[in-house]
Amino acid sequence: NAGVTQTPKFRILKIGQSMTLQCTQDMNHNYMYWYRQDPGMGLKLIYYSVGAGITDKGEVPNGYNVSRSTTEDFPLRLELAAPSQTSVYFCASTKSLRDNQPQHFGDGTRLSIL
Amino acid sequence: AQSVAQPEDQVNVAEGNPLTVKCTYSVSGNPYLFWYVQYPNRGLQFLLKYITGDNLVKGSYGFEAEFNKSQTSFHLKKPSALVSDSALYFCAVRDGNYQLIWGAGTKLIIKP
Repeated sequence: NAGVTQTPKFRILKIGQSMTLQCTQDMNHNYMYWYRQDPGMGLKLIYYSVGAGITDKGEVPNGYNVSRSTTEDFPLRLELAAPSQTSVYFCASTKSLRDNQPQHFGDGTRLSIL
Repeated sequence: AQSVAQPEDQVNVAEGNPLTVKCTYSVSGNPYLFWYVQYPNRGLQFLLKYITGDNLVKGSYGFEAEFNKSQTSFHLKKPSALVSDSALYFCAVRDGNYQLIWGAGTKLIIKP
């Protein structure tokens, strides 16, 4: 049971570089999310998607972009990496929002910007 | 606006003792509340949720949570702690857009 898979697990970037964090799920979930987790701050929603071709901003979208061309994949793009983007990034998915179904999380990508 | 607070950064409990991890919330309308656990270097895992009905909700790994509407609380409990329960615990509340608003997390340390 793969669930939600995130790659890479770790990455170090230089300021100004770009990269894409990959996320794929095999549960046929329509709803997908990107969060960042900073120490002592809980989770902050970056972007979310309610289905293929539909994305929307969360609480902290600046500096990030997303796309959702398929149900399975929801990549997160950092165009110009900044030290403030050093964080742990989690992708999650759920079957239903209205039915309060639990979110399933990947194991995260630990990103350092130096 | 909806919000959730976890007043303790860390909770220390001896193995075998009961544990409580606190959560309070603020919502307009009916509250939909969740607890998740995070083990080191892993993603969050769902433990339990309160939607409606009984105030005592049972979840995974022997955990339960008590919903108290008058105190706007949703504390996580376990009668007898295990060392393997040591982890980071997050409380969350669903907002009007069906997204989750997360608490800052509480680190639970169970000492042998």
